[in-house]
Amino acid sequence: KAGVTQTPRYLIKTRGQQVTLSCSPISGHRSVSWYQQTPGQGLQFLFEYFSETQRNKGNFPGRFSGRQFSNSRSEMNVSTLELGDSALYLCASSGGQGMTGELFFGEGSRLTVL
Amino acid sequence: AQSVTQLGSHVSVSEGALVLLRCNYSSSVPPYLFWYVQYPNQGLQLLLKYTSAATLVKGINGFEAEFKKSETSFHLTKPSAHMSDAAEYFCAVSYSGAGSYQLTFGKGTKLSVIP
Repeated sequence: KAGVTQTPRYLIKTRGQQVTLSCSPISGHRSVSWYQQTPGQGLQFLFEYFSETQRNKGNFPGRFSGRQFSNSRSEMNVSTLELGDSALYLCASSGGQGMTGELFFGEGSRLTVL
Repeated sequence: AQSVTQLGSHVSVSEGALVLLRCNYSSSVPPYLFWYVQYPNQGLQLLLKYTSAATLVKGINGFEAEFKKSETSFHLTKPSAHMSDAAEYFCAVSYSGAGSYQLTFGKGTKLSVIP
């Protein structure tokens, strides 16, 4: 069974640009979550989608947005990039077992903003 | 709001020694607790999870953790460290009733294993 796939793995952008990251969950998983990982703030929850609906959102500005498609694949977008957006963005999928369910993480997309 | 505290951002142990990584959580209701491991340039992998079935939880790679409600702790242990255990470990908590998947992570503990 293929794991969670994130693309691209690495990317470099300049301030003011926008970026779109993609996540393909494990086959059959309907929930996709996004996390931002930085050395200073650690792992922070961005948002979670289930059956194309955003169910929960973390404390991030509106520049951060996401969506989920009917095949459960998800994208997140960051507009007007700032230096502080440099981070590892992790996507995780789950099978819908409720709060006790395990999250399966992808390897992440490492974004560098210059 | 829920929170997780991991004591020690860096822990060094000798190969073959006991590994003990500490995790305390804040909660007024029973939480669900997880330990994840992250190797360099990789995502997070689940080591083990506590979901109220048993207080002593066994995970992969010889790790285990004990849930102690009175101490609000969920420390991770391994009897004998191996070089391959060198990685960063994250404790995480989720709460029932939130209606969604959201984990709150600790800051992480980087484990070094000395040969």
